[in-house]
Order: sequence, then C-alpha cells, then structure tokens
Amino acid sequence: AQSVAQPEDQVNVAEGNPLTVKCTYSVSGNPYLFWYVQYPNRGLQFLLKYITGDNLVKGSYGFEAEFNKSQTSFHLKKPSALVSDSALYFCAVREAGNQGGKLIFGQGTELSVKP
Amino acid sequence: DAGVIQSPRHEVTEMGQEVTLRCKPISGHNSLFWYRQTMMRGLELLIYFNNNVPIDDSGMPEDRFSAKMPNASFSTLKIQPSEPRDSAVYFCASSLKTRTVATNEKLFFGSGTQLSVL
Repeated sequence: AQSVAQPEDQVNVAEGNPLTVKCTYSVSGNPYLFWYVQYPNRGLQFLLKYITGDNLVKGSYGFEAEFNKSQTSFHLKKPSALVSDSALYFCAVREAGNQGGKLIFGQGTELSVKP
Repeated sequence: DAGVIQSPRHEVTEMGQEVTLRCKPISGHNSLFWYRQTMMRGLELLIYFNNNVPIDDSGMPEDRFSAKMPNASFSTLKIQPSEPRDSAVYFCASSLKTRTVATNEKLFFGSGTQLSVL
C-alpha cells in the first residue's frame, strides 16, 4: 500500500531564511510525487510535481523539491522564506503507472514564517 | 474559468438530518474527487469518478454516505442521516486525466463546505 509521511506538524522560520518541509513516501513501484499548499479557508492549490526526469523540481512561488529515491524523500524547499508563505503544506504520492490509483495526501505541515 | 464551485459554503444541521453537498467541476475536466478534512484524520479521499463513473469508493466511511455524478458538470455527496462525527470540511476537486502523464494529476480544489452537525 502506498503512504506518505510528513514528520513535522509545524515548521517555524524567520523571514529571509531558507525553509524545508519534509516528506517521505512509500510505494511498491515508482512514485509520482506532489506538493500542495492550503491557505486559511481555501482549498488546496497545486505547487509542483515529480513524475520523471531531473530530481530537482521547480514549482510556483519560488518553491522547489528534491526527489531522493534512496531516502524515499521529497522535501519541499525555498531559499528565502516570505511571511506570505505561511500556510498548510501537503505532500502527496501516487504509484506510477497505476492509472486507477489514488492520490494519497500526508497529514500536512503548518509553516509559519515570522517577520 | 471560475474554478471548482462548491455549495453551500457552510452547513449547520442537526443530527439525523439529511445533508447534500454540491460540486461543479471545472469545465472539460473528466475526473472528480471528494475529500474530507479533519484535524484528527487529515485529508481523506472519500470517492472519485472518471467520466462520471465511480472508480473507487473505498474511502466512503459508511452506508450513510453516498455520491453521485449524473453528468460531467455536477456531483453531489449526500449524508443521510448525519451524525456529529461527520462534522468536517468537505472538498471537491477535479482534474483532467489524459494519456499524457505530464498533464495528469494536477487537482484543482474547490473552497470546501464546512459542515457542522449538532
């Protein structure tokens, strides 16, 4: 069965500092990996995805994520955090090639960026 | 495009009452998903449809829950009878599933329905 874990419920970062939101996954085959962001009282918004190719994926709002197969991780990163990045971030995984497969979301990590 | 539209935005009802949540996916999208979000369990997939056909409803918690998609532009999630433990935010999402993986899997979420069952 596929699963995804976000080990940190909350991440606190000062504005201008780099940020990392961690994600590890488990699938039986190759993974498709995603990051979504949720602002208060809103639905989730797509940030970026890894399907194949370069391990470093660039997405919206200056975010990027690195796929590490050996560590089964897909951590979200940004070189310089903004206060407006404060939100709930979800990592998601689906097994590649399984067109009928479900997209499974992690529990979410609340990112708080202080001025 | 207005995006995925959900109604109502908030619903407060009493235990035992029937609740119907509505969703209009993005025009042209052929996959539709119903998720439930709670503090305890996070984001759970309840059911999803491809081309109006239910593909996987294993996440539907009980027989009290049912979902329909009578056409490509409308879906409902019904809870009958409702219980306090059904209180949550219910999200609808849609996507365009094609044979090209690169365009697949990007879900577009509605703003959700905040359901409170008293």
